[in-house]
Amino acid sequence: EPEVTQTPSHQVTQMGQEVILRCVPISNHLYFYWYRQILGQKVEFLVSFYNNEISEKSEIFDDQFSVERPDGSNFTLKIRSTKLEDSAMYFCASRTGGGEKLFFGSGTQLSVL
Amino acid sequence: QQQVKQSPQSLIVQKGGISIINCAYENTAFDYFPWYQQFPGKGPALLIAIRPDVSEKKEGRFTISFNKSAKQFSLHIMDSQPGDSATYFCAAIQGAQKLVFGQGTRLTINP
Repeated sequence: EPEVTQTPSHQVTQMGQEVILRCVPISNHLYFYWYRQILGQKVEFLVSFYNNEISEKSEIFDDQFSVERPDGSNFTLKIRSTKLEDSAMYFCASRTGGGEKLFFGSGTQLSVL
Repeated sequence: QQQVKQSPQSLIVQKGGISIINCAYENTAFDYFPWYQQFPGKGPALLIAIRPDVSEKKEGRFTISFNKSAKQFSLHIMDSQPGDSATYFCAAIQGAQKLVFGQGTRLTINP
């Protein structure tokens, strides 16, 4: 079965540094998402992306966050100046245009020190 | 109104027993209700889903019961096995919008 690929699996960074989390969605999918999960808590929506623009974003997705689909295959989440509270597992997800089934990657565990 | 409330937070069931996880929602515009299974270190994976025009959906040992008037739905795992031990999330979505997750239930099946 096709899968969403995320790299790296773990990322450790210092507070205030910029990080870029990378995702390769399933090739024929049209909708792309970032979610995050703080340890032991529920999965929270960050942003959705369709047709090369953000379609919806949550309150968490402030000016420090940005997303990009630079080359038609990769989908990235950038955090400009990381904070301690950004430490979480970040999941990329994608789906086709006609279905609701969301396919998640295995996540990037971000640790901000 | 966008929340999905899930209970219990954790559940321990003996092997062969029935595991039941409940969810409730407020937004009547939600039109698709999936359940996701998550193993440690992995992303959530779709387990089973239902639409509000159906009261029950069964796939193998997994059944969703849906009560539209009460705005509640539940996951039943029959003949629970140790391999079912995972965190389960209910969720809801309206059209092409974002998936809203419940808080999760950590299920442990004792051998």
